[in-house]
Amino acid sequence: EVHLVESGGGLVQPGGSLRLSCAASGFTFSSYWVTWVRQAPGKGLEWVANIKQDGSEKHYVDSVRGRFTISRDNAKNSLYLQMNSLRAEDTAVYYCASLRGFGGYDPFDYWGQGTLVTVSS
Amino acid sequence: DIQMTQSPSTLSASVGDRVTITCRASQRISNYLAWYQQKPGKAPKLLIYKASNLESGVPPRFSGSQSGTEFSLTISSLQPDDFATYYCQEYNSFWTFGQGTKVEIK
Repeated sequence: EVHLVESGGGLVQPGGSLRLSCAASGFTFSSYWVTWVRQAPGKGLEWVANIKQDGSEKHYVDSVRGRFTISRDNAKNSLYLQMNSLRAEDTAVYYCASLRGFGGYDPFDYWGQGTLVTVSS
Repeated sequence: DIQMTQSPSTLSASVGDRVTITCRASQRISNYLAWYQQKPGKAPKLLIYKASNLESGVPPRFSGSQSGTEFSLTISSLQPDDFATYYCQEYNSFWTFGQGTKVEIK
């Protein structure tokens, strides 16, 4: 059974940094693109970043480009999101998910339970 | 950037009703359109991909269709478990979500 478990969320001050992790199991992690999606309290879903199987290709939503960095460690079956220069508008539940296919342009089929990031002074 | 516009934002319906949610893309996205269901406090669940393909394990009362850049999700007979928020997503260029449609009990 596929499991994705996020960790690392918490309260951080504006301008601060946080690193999220996502531990994957139950599938061949290294064979799939993976992604981060966030959801601000009471709001809709927003795609944040994707990373290719070998880490050689990454995509970001404009609002986080230059502040957030997505990475992965296939040996540890883990996905990461380094978040710097955090702003109040980054407050959200952050989900990791896997893409359904192998090509990158696919929907998200397996999701974690999410981890809450709160940016506030 | 591609914009995905869902309508309505909220839909009030009763058990057994046939309901349809619409999503319009601002540009051509071929059939790279997915639908998700999300319940409060839970992660989204993939229902449909490539506009009309039912994800494994999803009940057949859910269906998707396409007409150009307009996409629809139809629930043929609404069940109590279907009251939730539904999102469309294009994955032709980036992975942009619509703003969501909340299906609530009438």
